Amino acid sequence: AQSVTQLDSQVPVFEEAPVELRCNYSSSVSVYLFWYVQYPNQGLQLLLKYLSGSTLVKGINGFEAEFNKSQTSFHLRKPSVHISDTAEYFCAVTLSGGYQKVTFGTGTKLQVIP
Amino acid sequence: DTGVSQDPRHKITKRGQNVTFRCDPISEHNRLYWYRQTLGQGPEFLTYFQNEAQLEKSRLLSDRFSAERPKGSFSTLEIQRTEQGDSAMYLCASSWGLAGPNTDTQYFGPGTRLTVL
Repeated sequence: AQSVTQLDSQVPVFEEAPVELRCNYSSSVSVYLFWYVQYPNQGLQLLLKYLSGSTLVKGINGFEAEFNKSQTSFHLRKPSVHISDTAEYFCAVTLSGGYQKVTFGTGTKLQVIP
Repeated sequence: DTGVSQDPRHKITKRGQNVTFRCDPISEHNRLYWYRQTLGQGPEFLTYFQNEAQLEKSRLLSDRFSAERPKGSFSTLEIQRTEQGDSAMYLCASSWGLAGPNTDTQYFGPGTRLTVL
């Protein structure tokens, strides 16, 4: 079965600074990877997903992530954060064959400090 | 496109009572998912529908839980004889696709927060 680990439960960062939110997955077969964002009192929203092809995936709101198969990682990055990026970010994984449930990580709370 | 809606947004009930939640997906979406999210955790998959067929059910979904999507549109999740451990946020998501749903973008509703006293 697949699993995903988000190493940081909280990440404080100053406004306009870069940020990286870490995600590692475990699977013996090919996977699809996702990053979702959850703003307070709102539903989860997809930021980006990796299905195949280029390992650098660009998403909404200036976020990008890089799939690294050898390190089984899918870290999320943004070169310059804004106050409005304060939210909880979830990494998720699913197997690429047939129907497989999506497994979410425990989330990373990004706190942007003015 | 008004997004995925869930009703109610909050539910407080006493242990042993039955509760039912409703999810209205995005109208053209053929797939619907239920998740449960507890404090400090990511969403945990509960069940999945393609149109009206329930194709997958997690072992987390005990016999007290039942979900339906009778006409392939809205869905209900019922919990019978609620327990304090059922307290959580219940999330619904929907997607549209023809290939394997693993590649779909799921659109989430705001959730129903259940508190069992």
